[in-house]
Amino acid sequence: SYVLTQPPSVSVAPGQTARITCGGNNIGSKSVHWYQQKPGQAPVVVVYDDSDRPSGIPERFSGSNSGNTATLTISRVEAGDEADYYCQVWDSSGGHVVFGGGTKVIVL
Amino acid sequence: EVQLLESGGGLVQPGGSLRLSCAASGFTFSSYAMSWVRQAPGKGLEWVSTITGSGDTTYYADSVKGRFTISRDNSKNTVYLQMNSLRAEDTAVYYCAKDDNGSPYYMDVWGRGTTVTVSS
Repeated sequence: SYVLTQPPSVSVAPGQTARITCGGNNIGSKSVHWYQQKPGQAPVVVVYDDSDRPSGIPERFSGSNSGNTATLTISRVEAGDEADYYCQVWDSSGGHVVFGGGTKVIVL
Repeated sequence: EVQLLESGGGLVQPGGSLRLSCAASGFTFSSYAMSWVRQAPGKGLEWVSTITGSGDTTYYADSVKGRFTISRDNSKNTVYLQMNSLRAEDTAVYYCAKDDNGSPYYMDVWGRGTTVTVSS
């Protein structure tokens, strides 16, 4: 089955840039979606189709996807961005939705 | 406004059964696939199951296949998750989520979740 690998945590100072990676075999051939989840809340999609943002999501959130790695980039990080972030793909060959293990973004 | 409201969670003994419901509003329900995603305490998101908008195709995670059944009633704007042969490892918050289109893709709206605890 298809596996997505994320680092457990990323630490970043306010105002700096956080980059969260999501590794998978030839993930560049798939569409990657990213969710933000704050404690006690349901997940919210922040990027879909590799790099598109839903309405209401700040432009500070951006995504890219190539080769074996997809990346969520959060520019000008704010304290309110501290959360868990999950990547997700649809594995059509297996008929499964796949989530990465999640990355905790820590704002120093 | 698009809303999803889960219900049916609770405490159940190992080997028991539970049926979760998710009432949807604010969109054309039959046009969208619906999914269940769970999160065990302190753990990450785990996809459980998805049903297409028409209800003719279902998908399951290997961990629940043969024990859980997803279904929908488009006349009631409701999706269900029948959970049988429950195990301790099924303990989690179960989220209902609307997919972006009629087939599995990504989830653009999530409910608040309902808690299932499997314990004797």
